[in-house]
Amino acid sequence: DGGITQSPKYLFRKEGQNVTLSCEQNLNHDAMYWYRQDPGQGLRLIYYSQIVNDFQKGDIAEGYSVSREKKESFPLTVTSAQKNPTAFYLCASSMEQGQSEKLFFGSGTQLSVL
Amino acid sequence: LAKTTQPISMDSYEGQEVNITCSHNNIATNDYITWYQQFPSQGPRFIIQGYKTKVTNEVASLFIPADRKSSTLSLPRVSLSDTAVYYCPKGSGAGSYQLTFGKGTKLSVIP
Repeated sequence: DGGITQSPKYLFRKEGQNVTLSCEQNLNHDAMYWYRQDPGQGLRLIYYSQIVNDFQKGDIAEGYSVSREKKESFPLTVTSAQKNPTAFYLCASSMEQGQSEKLFFGSGTQLSVL
Repeated sequence: LAKTTQPISMDSYEGQEVNITCSHNNIATNDYITWYQQFPSQGPRFIIQGYKTKVTNEVASLFIPADRKSSTLSLPRVSLSDTAVYYCPKGSGAGSYQLTFGKGTKLSVIP
């Protein structure tokens, strides 16, 4: 089945630790995105990538880093600089950039701080 | 970025038709209007999309007036499984594509 796979489902981070969230898609989509969702809140864009080896900051990029070495993969690293990392992280993809694009989301990763 | 505006919550009984309205006062000429559904601890799921007038699929209908400053998502005969949060995110207009999601509308379907 085609889709977006996020792993792990749950992740715990210790103080001062960097952690990496995985996102893989087999939809052959060009664009990929990372969103953060806090309880009872909407989604906020962290980073997005339109093409391999290129990515742009979203609204809340501080304390996060990404890479896009392969079309299928868009991992997100939550660095120690992110002081409030506890949230639900969602990865998404779309065929291409455009105003009629539909986003396909993964099932999310819940990150908590120990 | 200015967001779209929609009610925070709505309640409905099973079997009723539910209409959720979203205000798109700052919609760009090129932007489509798209609605997503999200269940707890899951990613949002695309429901329906339109540019103007009416669009219908197997799940819902979308009504967009001529001025495109609002849209109404219509769910016919809701069931308990339709209990979810519904979003109408704001697009970024021309150029790169960034959706701005507000808090959405939490729909609770009552038996």
